[in-house]
Amino acid sequence: DGGITQSPKYLFRKEGQNVTLSCEQNLNHDAMYWYRQDPGQGLRLIYYSQIVNDFQKGDIAEGYSVSREKKESFPLTVTSAQKNPTAFYLCASSIAPRGSRYEQYFGPGTRLTVT
Amino acid sequence: GDSVTQMEGPVTLSEEAFLTINCTYTATGYPSLFWYVQYPGEGLQLLLKATKADDKGSNKGFEATYRKETTSFHLEKGSVQVSDSAVYFCALSSAGNMLTFGGGTRLMVKP
Repeated sequence: DGGITQSPKYLFRKEGQNVTLSCEQNLNHDAMYWYRQDPGQGLRLIYYSQIVNDFQKGDIAEGYSVSREKKESFPLTVTSAQKNPTAFYLCASSIAPRGSRYEQYFGPGTRLTVT
Repeated sequence: GDSVTQMEGPVTLSEEAFLTINCTYTATGYPSLFWYVQYPGEGLQLLLKATKADDKGSNKGFEATYRKETTSFHLEKGSVQVSDSAVYFCALSSAGNMLTFGGGTRLMVKP
């Protein structure tokens, strides 16, 4: 079955530690995205990548980093510089030909708790 | 820039009631429009979409019509079930393949 996997579902870390969230897709999509969702809130874009080896900052990139070495994978690192890292993190992907208006498909999310 | 406005929740209905969740948008050009649903603790699932004016998207008894003249994409369902309880997000995609989301509307359906 094609889809997006995120692991782990729940992640606990101590303050001051970097943590990497995994996102893998087997949909052969070019574009991938990371969003943050806080309780009762909408989605905010952290980073996105339209093609391998290229990525751009979204609206709230400070304290986060990404890499896109493979088409299938787009890991997100939450660094110790992120002031409020506890949140629900969602990864998405899209076919994304340039200038298109396609839907995005979402993974199941990772709930990160930092204490 | 682009923006999406949807009615604030929660919307509380009894089972078999009629549902409308309002969504209006502002965008340059001709965006595609989407409704996503999020069940507790899960990611977003695409519920339906419409890519041009007057298109009607439909899925699982839900439907929404792309109204360019009123810049709206209201979600409707004739008879809701308890299992429809979730958060619903309206979104648009304009050039560049980026999604702009509304703030989400929580629907609670009581038996």
